[in-house]
Amino acid sequence: AQKVTQAQTEISVVEKEDVTLDCVYETRDTTYYLFWYKQPPSGELVFLIRRNSFDEQNEISGRYSWNFQKSTSSFNFTITASQVVDSAVYFCALSFISGAGSYQLTFGKGTKLSVIP
Amino acid sequence: DTGVSQNPRHKITKRGQNVTFRCDPISEHNRLYWYRQTLGQGPEFLTYFQNEAQLEKSRLLSDRFSAERPKGSFSTLEIQRTEQGDSAMYLCASSFSVAGVETQYFGPGTRLLVL
Repeated sequence: AQKVTQAQTEISVVEKEDVTLDCVYETRDTTYYLFWYKQPPSGELVFLIRRNSFDEQNEISGRYSWNFQKSTSSFNFTITASQVVDSAVYFCALSFISGAGSYQLTFGKGTKLSVIP
Repeated sequence: DTGVSQNPRHKITKRGQNVTFRCDPISEHNRLYWYRQTLGQGPEFLTYFQNEAQLEKSRLLSDRFSAERPKGSFSTLEIQRTEQGDSAMYLCASSFSVAGVETQYFGPGTRLLVL
């Protein structure tokens, strides 16, 4: 069975602070994909990044960076110099190919980030 | 705008009524998913279409729920005899798989409240 754990339910930081959102996953598959999505108050899930299980290179995109460590089954997300616009719920998700050919996503419960001006 | 759209955005209904939601995927995407998200939780998979074929259904999808995707374009999700426990956000996502790799893009969701 697939499982994603986001232990941090809510985090508050002051603007310009760095913040790391934790994600730990469980899977028996050798090929899988990990994702981060952002859900602002409007409700729409916004895709941020996809990482496959064979690529452990860390990635940086502007103020965002991701650290994938297969040895600890973690895929953490860091926002540098946080801004008020970063306030949202962030979801980590795991996908695998099912017998029917779908790549259904298994989501964590999300981490609500509040950036205080 | 070529994003995923969903209608209506909000729906309030009385227990026992039927409701139908619509999802229009990104035009070139042949794969479509429905998810349900309750308060404080992450989205949970409901069902999957490849083109017009419904290939997978979650155990969460009771027999009061039915989904269709005629002609492999838009999709509808119908809930019959709604119950208060059906209150949730219903999210649609579409994707296109290339060499076994895909990213799902989500619509804004339909928020259902059953009174």
